[in-house]
Amino acid sequence: QQQVKQSPQSLIVQKGGISIINCAYENTAFDYFPWYQQFPGKGPALLIAIRPDVSEKKEGRFTISFNKSAKQFSLHIMDSQPGDSATYFCAASKATGRRALTFGSGTRLQVQP
Amino acid sequence: EAQVTQNPRYLITVTGKKLTVTCSQNMNHEYMSWYRQDPGLGLRQIYYSMNVEVTDKGDVPEGYKVSRKEKRNFPLILESPSPNQTSLYFCASSLNGGRARQAEQFFGPGTRLTVL
Repeated sequence: QQQVKQSPQSLIVQKGGISIINCAYENTAFDYFPWYQQFPGKGPALLIAIRPDVSEKKEGRFTISFNKSAKQFSLHIMDSQPGDSATYFCAASKATGRRALTFGSGTRLQVQP
Repeated sequence: EAQVTQNPRYLITVTGKKLTVTCSQNMNHEYMSWYRQDPGLGLRQIYYSMNVEVTDKGDVPEGYKVSRKEKRNFPLILESPSPNQTSLYFCASSLNGGRARQAEQFFGPGTRLTVL
């Protein structure tokens, strides 16, 4: 049972465009929602994270939008750059206890010059 | 440099031959965890450790063992590897204490394991 569903599986965006990746979760006990960026041959790196008491968080060109009632959250990458080309994973966890991150299946983003 | 290191980075072995993948962090993190990454499934937790000598099962622990004798090290042991354990493995660590800090997990570079 996949508790975090992520879409799309792959995404191609032109340089300067907006990249949007969506995730939906099932477990209402989750209270921490991070996004990870992974480049080939590297481990996932934390990009930005949000807690459910906030509807939006912005860090530079990256914004998380969170809809608690719909149990959905999304990542928006504004002014997408070729250097943003990577695989993006949404995740969810409880911030206490075993803190297991439940990951989405990933989105491969390609930003074309 | 603050980091999580894993060794080896690549390993090809045969069914049944015991192996250990090491994980070490230099950030004085109490919490450490192992994940495996498979196409279309994201990352799934294998085992985790809240502190020295405290370990517990994650979502997919079958066929794996861990130990936590020192704070900085958290080796993953496959006593009798099988082909379905062919995967990309990641070690992660984080601090204990404070919801924001302990929720942020730092990942190692990964170990690609192939079991023939």
